[in-house]
Amino acid sequence: AQKITQTQPGMFVQEKEAVTLDCTYDTSDPSYGLFWYKQPSSGEMIFLIYQGSYDQQNATEGRYSLNFQKARKSANLVISASQLGDSAMYFCAMREGGGGFKTIFGAGTRLFVKA
Amino acid sequence: GAVVSQHPSRVICKSGTSVKIECRSLDFQATTMFWYRQFPKQSLMLMATSNEGSKATYEQGVEKDKFLINHASLTLSTLTVTSAHPEDSSFYICSASTSGYEQYFGPGTRLTVT
Repeated sequence: AQKITQTQPGMFVQEKEAVTLDCTYDTSDPSYGLFWYKQPSSGEMIFLIYQGSYDQQNATEGRYSLNFQKARKSANLVISASQLGDSAMYFCAMREGGGGFKTIFGAGTRLFVKA
Repeated sequence: GAVVSQHPSRVICKSGTSVKIECRSLDFQATTMFWYRQFPKQSLMLMATSNEGSKATYEQGVEKDKFLINHASLTLSTLTVTSAHPEDSSFYICSASTSGYEQYFGPGTRLTVT
């Protein structure tokens, strides 16, 4: 069965510094996608970054990068140059197979950016 | 970009009544829609997956007779919470997907049952 684990319930980071949010996953399907979402207090889910299981390079999107270590089954999110607006809940998620398959979410990590 | 709307954004209903939540994909056709619920300070829990024109697939532990899902078209899915009770109070989020990995989330509906 697929599983996503986020072991950091809360993280603090100083503004302008980088922070890594941990995510490990478990699946027996060789084809899967890994996602990170940001959820501010408003509740909307904001897509940040995607990594496919067959992608050779780590995904990057602006200040976000995904440190994909397939053998370790980890997909950590790195946020560079943290901003106060980055304070939010962050969810790691995984989707197996192709379209139509369900996505499961980790428990989330609440990030606090300090001025 | 792909936009998904939900209506209403907030609803308060009395215990025992039913409430319908709509999820629409505004600028694309969604072959699959997902419904999640999220309790305060918790993660999203998948309730059901629906494909247009077919019956929804419910996750284990989700009562299909209580949470009725209708995916009437490629742009509309509805979730009806029947005979709502205070424990059904939650944040309900839908998402829509095409054939790829990405799914697009609606802004959520906060349901309060009094």
